[in-house]
Amino acid sequence: QQQVKQSPQSLIVQKGGISIINCAYENTAFDYFPWYQQFPGKGPALLIAIRPDVSEKKEGRFTISFNKSAKQFSLHIMDSQPGDSATYFCAASKPGSARQLTFGSGTQLTVLP
Amino acid sequence: DAGVIQSPRHEVTEMGQEVTLRCKLISGHNSLFWYRQTMMRGLELLIYFNNNVPIDDSGMPEDRFSAKMPNASFSTLKIQPSEPRDSAVYFCASSSWTALAKNIQYFGAGTRLSVL
Repeated sequence: QQQVKQSPQSLIVQKGGISIINCAYENTAFDYFPWYQQFPGKGPALLIAIRPDVSEKKEGRFTISFNKSAKQFSLHIMDSQPGDSATYFCAASKPGSARQLTFGSGTQLTVLP
Repeated sequence: DAGVIQSPRHEVTEMGQEVTLRCKLISGHNSLFWYRQTMMRGLELLIYFNNNVPIDDSGMPEDRFSAKMPNASFSTLKIQPSEPRDSAVYFCASSSWTALAKNIQYFGAGTRLSVL
């Protein structure tokens, strides 16, 4: 059962363009929605995260938009750079002793120079 | 701090052999997560520990997989006997109580396992 659905599977964007990755979740108990960035040969690293009490969070060129009623959230990368080329995972977690993360399937982003 | 350290980085073995993957937590961290990453299934949580105690192993695929924390800073994931379908990248991640409160897990670089 895939609790967090992510799309697209891959994305190619020109330098300076906007990259948009979408995720949808099913479990309304989720209350924390992080995005992880993974470079080849490396483990995922936390990029940005949001809680459902806000509709948007921005950190530099990275913005999360959150739609609680639609149970969807998305990552926007403004002014995309070749160095942003990586795999991006959305995730969700719910209250609990260890905050288990349920990951989306990942999006491989390529930013062309 | 050097971060979460996993070894080996790459492992190639033959079907039926025992494989042991190792993970050293970040100093002071007390939660440990093992994940498996494949193209087909993405990142899957296998098991997690709090204070050396396994809390949830429902993600462990079958009895051939076992994980231990012999001490507070070290964990092993063992596959015996290994099968070609176990080929994947295995990550461990650690966290502390304060980091978990912020929902942050720190991942190692992973072990790429190939079972021939």
